[in-house]
Amino acid sequence: NAGVTQTPKFQVLKTGQSMTLQCAQDMNHEYMSWYRQDPGMGLRLIHYSVGAGITDQGEVPNGYNVSRSTTEDFPLRLLSAAPSQTSVYFCASSYSIGDQPQHFGDGTRLSIL
Amino acid sequence: GQQVMQIPQYQHVQEGEDFTTYCNSSTTLSNIQWYKQRPGGHPVFLIQLVKSGEVKKQKRLTFQFGEAKKNSSLHITATQTTDVGTYFCAGPTGGTSYGKLTFGQGTILTVHP
Repeated sequence: NAGVTQTPKFQVLKTGQSMTLQCAQDMNHEYMSWYRQDPGMGLRLIHYSVGAGITDQGEVPNGYNVSRSTTEDFPLRLLSAAPSQTSVYFCASSYSIGDQPQHFGDGTRLSIL
Repeated sequence: GQQVMQIPQYQHVQEGEDFTTYCNSSTTLSNIQWYKQRPGGHPVFLIQLVKSGEVKKQKRLTFQFGEAKKNSSLHITATQTTDVGTYFCAGPTGGTSYGKLTFGQGTILTVHP
């Protein structure tokens, strides 16, 4: 049972490049979300999804796109990378929103030069 | 918007000393969750509190939910080096009982042997 799998674990990009962070879960969770973690800022919600085909914005959505074509996968796309997007990105999933434990992936450490 | 504030941001203790972190919400929460993140790791769910005034214990950890369901605390008795990490509280926000999950900024605990 893999839980929540994020790839890649590390990535270095140049400003202006685009890339997709992958997230997959095998727990049949309806709710999936993306957070970014910066020093002193805690975990800030970027986008979330309550099920396949349904996504919504979180606290810091600008510069990021998401889609949810299947229950298992929730990729996060950086459209044109900026140094301000240097961060650690975590994907999480749960059975429902807010009242069930969030299961986190190991994170992607992203540096934008 | 709704906020979840956590203090202190940092706490250094000697091994064997007690530790407490506090979480305050600007609005009433339907529940509050606590997570622990080891250095270099991902957040791991510890516990969820639902009832007003609820107290739960996990070995040396004691979790409390305030009577007004707007604040919570995590107390660790006789800290050990294995307690090192960042402790986060999180509550559902977004206008519904089970909306988006908002995390506090976290308290980074350092334990000196």
